[in-house]
Amino acid sequence: DAMVIQNPRYQVTQFGKPVTLSCSQTLNHNVMYWYQQKSSQAPKLLFHYYDKDFNNEADTPDNFQSRRPNTSFCFLDIRSPGLGDTAMYLCATSRAGQGGHEQYFGPGTRLTVT
Amino acid sequence: GQQVMQIPQYQHVQEGEDFTTYCNSSTTLSNIQWYKQRPGGHPVFLIQLVKSGEVKKQKRLTFQFGEAKKNSSLHITATQTTDVGTYFCAGRGLGYDMRFGAGTRLTVKP
Repeated sequence: DAMVIQNPRYQVTQFGKPVTLSCSQTLNHNVMYWYQQKSSQAPKLLFHYYDKDFNNEADTPDNFQSRRPNTSFCFLDIRSPGLGDTAMYLCATSRAGQGGHEQYFGPGTRLTVT
Repeated sequence: GQQVMQIPQYQHVQEGEDFTTYCNSSTTLSNIQWYKQRPGGHPVFLIQLVKSGEVKKQKRLTFQFGEAKKNSSLHITATQTTDVGTYFCAGRGLGYDMRFGAGTRLTVKP
């Protein structure tokens, strides 16, 4: 089945130790998103790619970086995680087109920074 | 920048009662989408509204998009325990970025 896959599902890292989260999709969607969702809050958009065009949100910390080597994969790199970065990280994809596009979310990676 | 406000934050109803959540944007939206997130799960797409004044129905769920394309609502008739979860609206401006409302957490008492 076509889907959005995120690995790992759970990640524990130490304060300041770099971590990479991955997302892959079999939907062949041209837009990929990374969201951060803290407990009982709404998903907060960090950045998105339209094909290879990277779009960073103004309030996304420099500590967060992303790579999209090809259509199927997208990575979220947190260079020096802080305790406040503990959250669920959601990847989503959509197909850009006239009238808008629904987003398909992956199951998320729950990151804990200790 | 574009902001999407959503109320109420929480709603607790008795099974069989109706439920409504409202979203309001500070700017005109290209479209608005609604998602449902079950506890411990990820957001799941429900519907997208594009046209001014659009109304769509999915069984007991009714979605509306305002004439000015700045507000939207989701109404559930005769709630069931399976409706439990957090309902988010997400508005799209000119680009491909989506802004989520804060969400309304619905609990249903059997």
